[in-house]
Amino acid sequence: EPEVTQTPSHQVTQMGQEVILRCVPISNHLYFYWYRQILGQKVEFLVSFYNNEISEKSEIFDDQFSVERPDGSNFTLKIRSTKLEDSAMYFCATLRQPPLNEQFFGPGTRLTVL
Amino acid sequence: AQSVTQPDIHITVSEGASLELRCNYSYGATPYLFWYVQSPGQGLQLLLKYFSGDTLVQGIKGFEAEFKRSQSSFNLRKPSVHWSDAAEYFCAVGTPTGNQFYFGTGTSLTVIP
Repeated sequence: EPEVTQTPSHQVTQMGQEVILRCVPISNHLYFYWYRQILGQKVEFLVSFYNNEISEKSEIFDDQFSVERPDGSNFTLKIRSTKLEDSAMYFCATLRQPPLNEQFFGPGTRLTVL
Repeated sequence: AQSVTQPDIHITVSEGASLELRCNYSYGATPYLFWYVQSPGQGLQLLLKYFSGDTLVQGIKGFEAEFKRSQSSFNLRKPSVHWSDAAEYFCAVGTPTGNQFYFGTGTSLTVIP
């Protein structure tokens, strides 16, 4: 069964450093998403991406964040200058075609900012 | 504004007992509704979804949910809970364009033997 994969599974970084989180979507999926889940809290939408551009973003997704699909396979989330409060689980999700399909989630990347 | 409310933060049930997790949504158009389950340290797994048609939908692991438009609810049920059902459960609503999905705050389920 096809699945969404994410790397790394755990990333530890110093405050102020840049991090790139990677996601490999299911091959025939066209819509891509990043979510954040701070420990013990709800899943928060960050951004949706379709046709090589951002479809929608939340207020969390400020100028420190960016997404791209550089090689047509990986879908990346970059945080330019990490803050302590960026520590969270980051989930990638992909969807083949709305509205009649559901999102498939990756296992997540745990980001720890020290 | 769109939102999803899960009023129960934590529920404890005995193994074999029935379960109902509540979900209320606020959405101006036809909602596309989902229930996901998250086991500790894991990603989110889809339990079931509602797009249209029969308002009682069946999902995996013996779960079902009923869409009630008049109550703006999409409650998740299971007639007999198993210890392996202990997890975090999230209700979500999606837009038809696929641009946005809204998640509830989750309900943590504990199952006691």
